Amino acid sequence: DIQMTQSPSSLSASVGDRVTITCRASQSIRNYLNWYQQKPGNAPKLLIYGASTLQSGVPSRFTGSGSGTDFTLTISSLQPEDFATYYYCQQSFSTLPITFGQGTRLELK
Amino acid sequence: QVQLQESGPGLVKPSQTLSLTCSVSGGSVSSDGYYWSWIRQHPGRGLEWIGYIYYNGITYYNAPLKSRLSISVDTSKNQFSLTLRSVTAADTAMYYCARLINWDYYFDPWGQGTLVTVSS
Repeated sequence: DIQMTQSPSSLSASVGDRVTITCRASQSIRNYLNWYQQKPGNAPKLLIYGASTLQSGVPSRFTGSGSGTDFTLTISSLQPEDFATYYYCQQSFSTLPITFGQGTRLELK
Repeated sequence: QVQLQESGPGLVKPSQTLSLTCSVSGGSVSSDGYYWSWIRQHPGRGLEWIGYIYYNGITYYNAPLKSRLSISVDTSKNQFSLTLRSVTAADTAMYYCARLINWDYYFDPWGQGTLVTVSS
């Protein structure tokens, strides 16, 4: 199985800050990396697929990059609605099984 | 737009069978290019892929669950289902259904989820 490791596990920031979340794969997954946002009590929501393609309707302050084993999700100019939220990466290079990172919680400083 | 909705009992006794259904609206489970998936999230934990099915009935299961798991599709009702046998407390989780996009294999959209508790 391909293991996905996110860092940090939690992150404190302020409104207007720029933050970066990292996701590392245990082997190369080319650009088969997707990012999700999960707010408390809600299902995950797709933010980015194919490492860098923004899902329709997702604000442009979310940016994904990377290839191979190392990927990042950057949120520029954090908004209040971005906090108290988990962010998960998911690899889709190997679909048996599909695996997720353990999540990163973004908190308001 | 496609919407998914899970349904099923919220409480299941240990050793019994967990059965959930996902109803799809705004789209068809028979559409080419999509798989129909189940994912679960243990309380306070991350996401675990369970399995997915194509409209023709081809299934893919996560190995640790494979011996207890069945996923089926009913194209006439535009829904798909999960059956997990011999449940234990470790199967207590929020269960989500989601559409898996072929080729890129990302999940979108997701159902709102249904909490299943395994307890006597």
